[in-house]
Amino acid sequence: KAGVTQTPRYLIKTRGQQVTLSCSPISGHRSVSWYQQTPGQGLQFLFEYFSETQRNKGNFPGRFSGRQFSNSRSEMNVSTLELGDSALYLCASSAGTSGATDTQYFGPGTRLTVL
Amino acid sequence: SQQGEEDPQALSIQEGENATMNCSYKTSINNLQWYRQNSGRGLVHLILIRSNEREKHSGRLRVTLDTSKKSSSLLITASRAADTASYFCATDAGSGNTGKLIFGQGTTLQVKP
Repeated sequence: KAGVTQTPRYLIKTRGQQVTLSCSPISGHRSVSWYQQTPGQGLQFLFEYFSETQRNKGNFPGRFSGRQFSNSRSEMNVSTLELGDSALYLCASSAGTSGATDTQYFGPGTRLTVL
Repeated sequence: SQQGEEDPQALSIQEGENATMNCSYKTSINNLQWYRQNSGRGLVHLILIRSNEREKHSGRLRVTLDTSKKSSSLLITASRAADTASYFCATDAGSGNTGKLIFGQGTTLQVKP
């Protein structure tokens, strides 16, 4: 099976702009989770989608949003970018039927730089 | 906030030696997982240990879990240069029946050839 793919791999934006990141999960997986990784805060959970519904949400401002499509592909959007949004954004897919016991498979990440 | 604290933050050893990393967490869990990350790339799942298990093995990896101390350790035996990476523990604390994971800050392991 093909692994989790994320596009784009690298992105440079300026403050105030918005950005959309895409994640294609492993075929058959219904859960997609998003994480932000920064040197200061480490890996932080953004949100999880399962069968097109947001199932859990982390402690991030409303500028961070996401959605999942019927084919399980997911997008996350960050509006009004701030310098602190510069990070590696990782998505993970899993079967989604056993909660956090399911093995999560991570994509390579999207490196976002905000200037 | 981070659930886990990992110790040490950085570890440098010679090839062939064993590497031990520790993780402590704050609240009750159903399971704890260990992941590896190579140089800012995606994470690779290594092993999952459930709260009712005390020890688990997978190849050169040995994980222990002590729920009374809220701590876990990852032992990599006979390390190789290819084991150079960052290692993270992750728990499911507060996730309910969702896939939310809470990660520790990680241990950076360097294995010198």
